[in-house]
Amino acid sequence: KQEVTQIPAALSVPEGENLVLNCSFTDSAIYNLQWFRQDPGKGLTSLLLIQSSQREQTSGRLNASLDKSSGRSTLYIAASQPGDSATYLCAGPNNNDMRFGAGTRLTVKP
Amino acid sequence: GAVVSQHPSWVICKSGTSVKIECRSLDFQATTMFWYRQFPKQSLMLMATSNEGSKATYEQGVEKDKFLINHASLTLSTLTVTSAHPEDSSFYICVGKGGSDTQYFGPGTRLTVL
Repeated sequence: KQEVTQIPAALSVPEGENLVLNCSFTDSAIYNLQWFRQDPGKGLTSLLLIQSSQREQTSGRLNASLDKSSGRSTLYIAASQPGDSATYLCAGPNNNDMRFGAGTRLTVKP
Repeated sequence: GAVVSQHPSWVICKSGTSVKIECRSLDFQATTMFWYRQFPKQSLMLMATSNEGSKATYEQGVEKDKFLINHASLTLSTLTVTSAHPEDSSFYICVGKGGSDTQYFGPGTRLTVL
C-alpha cells in the first residue's frame, strides 16, 4: 500500500522567495506522481504530472522532480507570489487509485 | 481536456436525511470512478472504487450501507449518503478514469449536516 508524506505541513515565506515542497512515497514502483493545488473550500487543480520515465516537469515558475530510487519528489516554486498561497498536495498511484499526502499549506506574504 | 462535473457543489441537510451526489464525465467514458472525502484540514481519503456495471469496492472503515454508490453508466456515478449525521460533513470528490491511466477530478461537493 502506497504511503505518501509531505513536509513541511505549513510554510510561510515573504513574496519573491524561491521555495521547495517535499513529498516522499513508500512504493518506488510508481508509474507517475502528481502535484495539485487546492484553494480553501475548493477542489483540486492539477499542476504537474511526472511520469516514471521522467525526472522532472516544468510549468512556468513551477518545477517538479521525481527520484524513484529515494522515494522522493519535490515541487520548486520560483519567485513566489501572494497568489501562490494555497495547499499543495502530492499524490502517487496505489494500484488503480491515488494516495495523497496531507499537503503543505503555503502562505506567501506580500 | 476531459471534464468531470459534480452536482451539487454544496449541500446543507438536516441530520437523518439522505443526500445524493452526482458525478458525470462530460467528454469521456469513465469506466472507473473513485470517490474520495476530505475532512477539514486533512488530505483526501479514498472511500470506494466503482467500475461501471459492477458493485463498488469500499475501503476499510467505510460503511457500504451508509454510502451507496451507483455506477450504472459510463458517464454517471452517484454517491448517496444515507441517514447523514454531522460527522459525515465533508468535502466529497469523485475522480473519473477512462481507458488511459489519466484520472480526472471533479470539483467536489461540500456536504454540511446540521
